Amino acid sequence: AQRVTQPEKLLSVFKGAPVELKCNYSYSGSPELFWYVQYSRQRLQLLLRHISRESIKGFTADLNKGETSFHLKKPFAQEEDSAMYYCALRNTDKLIFGTGTRLQVFP
Amino acid sequence: GAGVSQSPRYKVTKRGQDVALRCDPISGHVSLYWYRQALGQGPEFLTYFNYEAQQDKSGLPNDRFSAERPEGSISTLTIQRTEQRDSAMYRCASSLTLAGVYTGELFFGEGSRLTVL
Repeated sequence: AQRVTQPEKLLSVFKGAPVELKCNYSYSGSPELFWYVQYSRQRLQLLLRHISRESIKGFTADLNKGETSFHLKKPFAQEEDSAMYYCALRNTDKLIFGTGTRLQVFP
Repeated sequence: GAGVSQSPRYKVTKRGQDVALRCDPISGHVSLYWYRQALGQGPEFLTYFNYEAQQDKSGLPNDRFSAERPEGSISTLTIQRTEQRDSAMYRCASSLTLAGVYTGELFFGEGSRLTVL
């Protein structure tokens, strides 16, 4: 079955520390993965997609097919990164979301 | 408006009542998705439309749930005979193209929070 797992409900770090939000997936086929973010009092929005190999707001994510992972990383966290982060997998014509990880960045 | 608009933002109802949740997508967006998000969970797919055609309703939990998009724009999600387990945030999202989901470019509304007493 297609599934996205985010093992951490909460991740707390200090400003300037590295961040890694974990995402593992289960999918038979070639996966397409995304990270969505929801800042306080804002809408859920796309952060980045693996096919673009892009860095957004300093975040990157590499698809590791061997480990079936798509972890989100940032070398130096900022307070404004505090938000809810969801990993998502495209399954045919819909997205399957993980349960989310809340990132708290303390000053 | 600039984004996806959902109404009502908050709805409190008694068990057994019917509720209708409305989604007004970004103008010109062809695909419209409904998701449900329970507390502490991620968004869970319910159904989606391309234009006015309902393409997939496999995520609707039972026949109390239905959705329509009669003119290919505004959509309504209706829950009949509500139960306490229906309490959740209901999120609507739209995409400009049929391929929007392939690029992950879904634009979400602010959601409708339903509480069933």
